[in-house]
Amino acid sequence: AQKVTQAQTEISVVEKEDVTLDCVYETRDTTYYLFWYKQPPSGELVFLIRRNSFDEQNEISGRYSWNFQKSTSSFNFTITASQVVDSAVYFCALSEAEMDSSYKLIFGSGTRLLVRP
Amino acid sequence: ETGVTQSPTHLIKTRGQQVTLRCSSQSGHNTVSWYQQALGQGPQFIFQYYREEENGRGNFPPRFSGLQFPNYSSELNVNALELDDSALYLCASSLDARNQPQHFGDGTRLSIL
Repeated sequence: AQKVTQAQTEISVVEKEDVTLDCVYETRDTTYYLFWYKQPPSGELVFLIRRNSFDEQNEISGRYSWNFQKSTSSFNFTITASQVVDSAVYFCALSEAEMDSSYKLIFGSGTRLLVRP
Repeated sequence: ETGVTQSPTHLIKTRGQQVTLRCSSQSGHNTVSWYQQALGQGPQFIFQYYREEENGRGNFPPRFSGLQFPNYSSELNVNALELDDSALYLCASSLDARNQPQHFGDGTRLSIL
C-alpha cells in the first residue's frame, strides 16, 4: 500500500537554527517519485523538489537540502539557518503509476514549522 | 508565465446544494488534478483530467464530477453537498500526465452550513 508518514506534527525553532523535517514512505513499486511542497498561510502548495526512485543523490538548493535513503524509505528535508519566512506547513508526497496510468500524489499529514525571531 | 488560477476564492453553501469550482491551468499544461484538503490534513486526490478525459480517480463518490475543456481549464462539480465536504479544494496542473511536477493554485475554500 502507498503511504507517507510525517511523524512531526509541529516544530518550533528560533531563527538561524537548522531544522530537519522527516518523511517516511511505503510503496510496492520500484519506480516512484517523491516530492516536497510548502504551504504558506495563503494556501497555495509551492513545489520544492521532485526525486525519482533511481536517483539517491542528495540535493542542495541554497539553504534547502534533501536526503533520500531507499534503505530506510526516507526522504528528509533540512533547512539550514532558518528564517521567519520559512514558517509554513511542509508536505512530503509520493507518486507512482496507477493502473489507469494516472500519477496521483499521496500526501503525508504535513509538518507545521514555526520559526521564531 | 501565468500560474494556476482558481475561482472563487471562498464559497458558502448549505447542505443539499450543488457547487461548481473552476480552475485555469498553467500555460502549456494539459493535465489537471483536483484535491480536497480538510483542515489540518494533507490533500486527498479526487481525480485527474488529461486532454479532456478523466485519467484516474480517488476514493470519492460519484457526486464529485469534473470536466476539462479544450483550453485545458477544468471544473469540479459537487452535488448534494454534505457538511463533510467543507474543505480547501486545490487544483494542480502539470505538463502531462506522466508524473511531471504538479503546480497548485491558491485553492477554493468551501464551507457548508
